Amino acid sequence: QVQLQESGPGLVKSSETLSLTCAVSGYSISSGYYWGWIRQPPGKGLEWIGSMFHSGSTYYNPSLKSRVTMSVDTSKNQFSLRLSSVTASDTAVYYCARLPYGSGIYYFDYWGRGTLVTVSS
Amino acid sequence: QLVLTQSPSASASLGASVKLTCTLSSGHSSYAIAWHQQQPEKGPRYLMKLNSDGSHNKGDGIPDRFSGSSSGAERYLTISGLQSEDEADYYCQTWGTGSGVFGGGTKLTVL
Repeated sequence: QVQLQESGPGLVKSSETLSLTCAVSGYSISSGYYWGWIRQPPGKGLEWIGSMFHSGSTYYNPSLKSRVTMSVDTSKNQFSLRLSSVTASDTAVYYCARLPYGSGIYYFDYWGRGTLVTVSS
Repeated sequence: QLVLTQSPSASASLGASVKLTCTLSSGHSSYAIAWHQQQPEKGPRYLMKLNSDGSHNKGDGIPDRFSGSSSGAERYLTISGLQSEDEADYYCQTWGTGSGVFGGGTKLTVL
């Protein structure tokens, strides 16, 4: 059973960098698949942030691309998200997920439980 | 531009059936999508990947009550024998050129 667990500070100050880690169990990241981050502001819908392969290939949401960095640590079987220069609009629940490929699309088949990150002024 | 459109809300009675719709933007009618369920105060759960021909692949443990179908640019999620735990937000999702795309979600109320 594939499981993902997000971790990181629940409170980040405005203009600083948000850093989260997703620990994966039940599957080796280096075996394949893209891995991604999605966020959900309070009371709103889902927004894709970015996805990366274990080799380092990445896709980022164009609206966030200038502030997002994703990385993978295969030795710890985890991947990470850094979002710089945060503002109150970055307050959200952040989810990590696995992305298989099929029928011409990448889609999310296993999700973490999510972690709330609040940006304070 | 690839856009997924969903009605904001839907409702149906306990034990009844409901059909939710996700519409692909013009020029993208051949795209597959995935359906995800988000129960209150929980993270999303993958339900199924749905192809343009209506074939679908469900996630682990998804009951037979959940099925998918397609017609043109529309992708449907049908839930039969509605149960109280089916009250949730339902999101469709696909992939454009290097980008993930979500629909706005449909809030399903079970009466």
